[in-house]
Order: sequence, then structure tokens, then C-alpha cells
Amino acid sequence: EVQLLESGGGLVQPGGSLRLSCAASGFIFRKYAMSWVRQAPGRGLEWVSTIGDSGGTTYFADSVKGRFSISRDNSKNTLYLQMDSLRADDTAIYYCAKIWGVTKQWLATFDDWGQGALVTVSS
Amino acid sequence: QSVLIQPPSASGTPGQRVTISCSGSSSNIGSYPVNWYQQLPGTAPKLLIYTDNQRPSGVPDRFSGSKSGTSASLAISGLQSEDEADYYCAVWDDSLSGPKVFGGGTKLTVL
Repeated sequence: EVQLLESGGGLVQPGGSLRLSCAASGFIFRKYAMSWVRQAPGRGLEWVSTIGDSGGTTYFADSVKGRFSISRDNSKNTLYLQMDSLRADDTAIYYCAKIWGVTKQWLATFDDWGQGALVTVSS
Repeated sequence: QSVLIQPPSASGTPGQRVTISCSGSSSNIGSYPVNWYQQLPGTAPKLLIYTDNQRPSGVPDRFSGSKSGTSASLAISGLQSEDEADYYCAVWDDSLSGPKVFGGGTKLTVL
């Protein structure tokens, strides 16, 4: 059974930094691209970032480009999201999601999701 | 503002058939497969339909997807109270304005 467990969420002041982790199990982590998707309170889903299976390819939403970075440690089966220069509108539940396939056509197919980590940016 | 346009709300009575539309463009629906997600209140999203019209294992055949040109639809037949949820279409969009994925979502109410 696939399990994705996010951690590292919490309260941070505007301009601060936070690193989210997503521990993966139940599948061969190094073979799959992974993503972060967020959901602000009462709002819809927003794709944030995607990283390829080897970590060599990354994509970012314009709203976080230059402030967030994504990485992975395939030896630890763990995905990361480093969030810098945080703003109030970054407040959201952040979901870690596994991508179904390995080619570009699968980049919007998230077949497994974590339970989410809440990030609150407030002074 | 999402590049994938969904109606904000939809409704139906038990047993009815409802459809939810997703309108896009050549840089998303016209180029890549469409996926649909169901998000029940207070839970993580769940993949409902992938590659336009395929159902993952465990998804009832009451749910179906279709695509034509730059538009897609999710149909739910034999509507049940437990289908009340938010539904999102998702397609990769790699237009010059930067990648995007999700539609704005449709809240389905079972009357």
C-alpha cells in the first residue's frame, strides 16, 4: 500500500522559511516523479511544483518560482519542499502527490496523495 | 485565474445523471490527457478519471469521462448522496505563461 506522510508544517512569520518533507513507502520511490499541491483555506487545488524521478527535472508554478525549491533523496524515499520568503497567501494545506507515469503526458495524473501538512504564514 | 474553466457549482437529485464541464485550450486539453479528482469534505483529493476516460481500480462505473477538442466532461450517473464533493479537472499546461494544472473546481450538491 502506497503511503505518503508529510511533515514540517506549522506557523511561520511573513518572510520566513519552512521545509516540508514527504516520506514515501509502498512503492519504488526512485522510479516516480513527485509533486506538491496546495489548497488555501476555502479555495481550490493549486499545483505548486513537480520533480522528475531522478531529480534532474523540476517545474514550478509562477506563484512560487524563485521562492520555493523542490528536491528528493531517493536513498531515503523522501521528497522535500523548501519554502523561502513566505507570504500570507502561501497559507495552505500542502499535499505531497505521486505521479502515475514517467512521461510528460502524466504530469497532471496524481494517483496517490498524502494527508497534507498545514502551513500558516502570519505575524 | 485558472486556464481550465469549470462551473463553480452543480447539483442533482439522487438517481439523476449530472455532468461537469471543463473548458480549456490547445495548450492543455488540446494537447494532453484530462484527469478528474474528487475531494470529499476534509479529505485529500482522489484520482477519479485519468487519460480522459479511464477509471482507476475501485472507482465505480457510475463515473465516466470524455473529451472533445479543447473541452472535457465528467459524468456521474445514478447520483448518490456520497457523491457530494468538490470535483477538479486537471491537465498539464505548458504555455508560455508558465505551467498550470487544475481547474477552479466544481462543488456538487446532492439535493
